[in-house]
Amino acid sequence: TQLLEQSPQFLSIQEGENLTVYCNSSSVFSSLQWYRQEPGEGPVLLVTVVTGGEVKKLKRLTFQFGDARKDSSLHITAAQPGDTGLYLCAGARYTGKLIFGQGTTLQVKP
Amino acid sequence: DVKVTQSSRYLVKRTGEKVFLECVQDMDHENMFWYRQDPGLGLRLIYFSYDVKMKEKGDIPEGYSVSREKKERFSLILESASTNQTSMYLCASSEGLAGLAKNIQYFGAGTRLSVL
Repeated sequence: TQLLEQSPQFLSIQEGENLTVYCNSSSVFSSLQWYRQEPGEGPVLLVTVVTGGEVKKLKRLTFQFGDARKDSSLHITAAQPGDTGLYLCAGARYTGKLIFGQGTTLQVKP
Repeated sequence: DVKVTQSSRYLVKRTGEKVFLECVQDMDHENMFWYRQDPGLGLRLIYFSYDVKMKEKGDIPEGYSVSREKKERFSLILESASTNQTSMYLCASSEGLAGLAKNIQYFGAGTRLSVL
């Protein structure tokens, strides 16, 4: 059973376009994390959001945690080819375990 | 910097072989995890460990076992490899109680295992 639904699974856009990736669940999480993974490497943490309604910005990336702490979004403004990669959301349980979404493969074409 | 090292980047094994995947972390983390990653399924937890000699089943433990004899090392064992265990395997570690609150996991580069 997939507890964290991530969409879209694939996204191919032109440089300069904006995009949003969504993670949705019926479960409440203690926090939600976003990771980025490049080919041949393990996932690397981008951000952790903890408080319902929290918004965090990382340069052109904006992360939001839903008010009920069940969903999150990642918005990229003016995407660059260097943003290409696999983006993973992960909901944290109070036990320390992470529940991962299916991942979004992003390709940004020059 | 936290470093999580997986002993092999690529492995090719035959059906029925016993396979050992090794993972070492250098940050004195209490928690260690083994995941497998398959396209369209994200990362799925196989086993995890909160302390030396301690292990807990994750979501898909069938066909796997683990060993944690030392704090820094967490091994994943495939007792009799099967073709459906062909996958990318990722090891991760995190801090103890503080880590549980923050839930920041640090990942190795992964081992791509092919079972023929």
